[in-house]
Amino acid sequence: SQKIEQNSEALNIQEGKTATLTCNYTNYSPAYLQWYRQDPGRGPVFLLLIRENEKEKRKERLKVTFDTTLKQSLFHITASQPADSATYLCALEDYGGSQGNLIFGKGTKLSVKP
Amino acid sequence: DAGVIQSPRHEVTEMGQEVTLRCKPISGHDYLFWYRQTMMRGLELLIYFNNNVPIDDSGMPEDRFSAKMPNASFSTLKIQPSEPRDSAVYFCASSYGTSGGAGTDTQYFGPGTRLTVL
Repeated sequence: SQKIEQNSEALNIQEGKTATLTCNYTNYSPAYLQWYRQDPGRGPVFLLLIRENEKEKRKERLKVTFDTTLKQSLFHITASQPADSATYLCALEDYGGSQGNLIFGKGTKLSVKP
Repeated sequence: DAGVIQSPRHEVTEMGQEVTLRCKPISGHDYLFWYRQTMMRGLELLIYFNNNVPIDDSGMPEDRFSAKMPNASFSTLKIQPSEPRDSAVYFCASSYGTSGGAGTDTQYFGPGTRLTVL
């Protein structure tokens, strides 16, 4: 079955710097990858979806890349702010289910210090 | 729309008791998912429904867990009897299925139910 890993449990950076989070997967080649944000005590919230042929996608200060050769997605937050502090989850379609659903990484907790 | 609604937000119960968690998905969504989140295992899918029909329940840990969706606007997850290892945050999510498949469908999560079994 496919496996999804977010390498860092926690990432601490200074305000204004660029945060880079990593998501690696094995055993298959997904056509899509999603990123979610989760704040303490709340459910995950969708941020971005990237397709395998898009390589890179941007939304305001967010940028996601998708390298199907390395089987890796990078999630960047430029000019980071304390309000960006949260846990970020990547998700892939699970082809093991009868019609597919998402499987999630364990997340990376980002802390942006002022 | 109010988003996905879950109740209760917090539940504390004693081992052996029955626990029922409730979910109201976003109107018009045809997929409903139940997840469990713990520090150790992250977010795990328990079961999901399409048009009120259970599609995949392979994530349900054991027979003590059951889920129903009697109509498009309501679902329950029941644990009977509950055990301390069931303590976790349980999320319900819904989505609108597109021809692109689940990989392209954004899931909308509820606020979760924090369950503590003593």
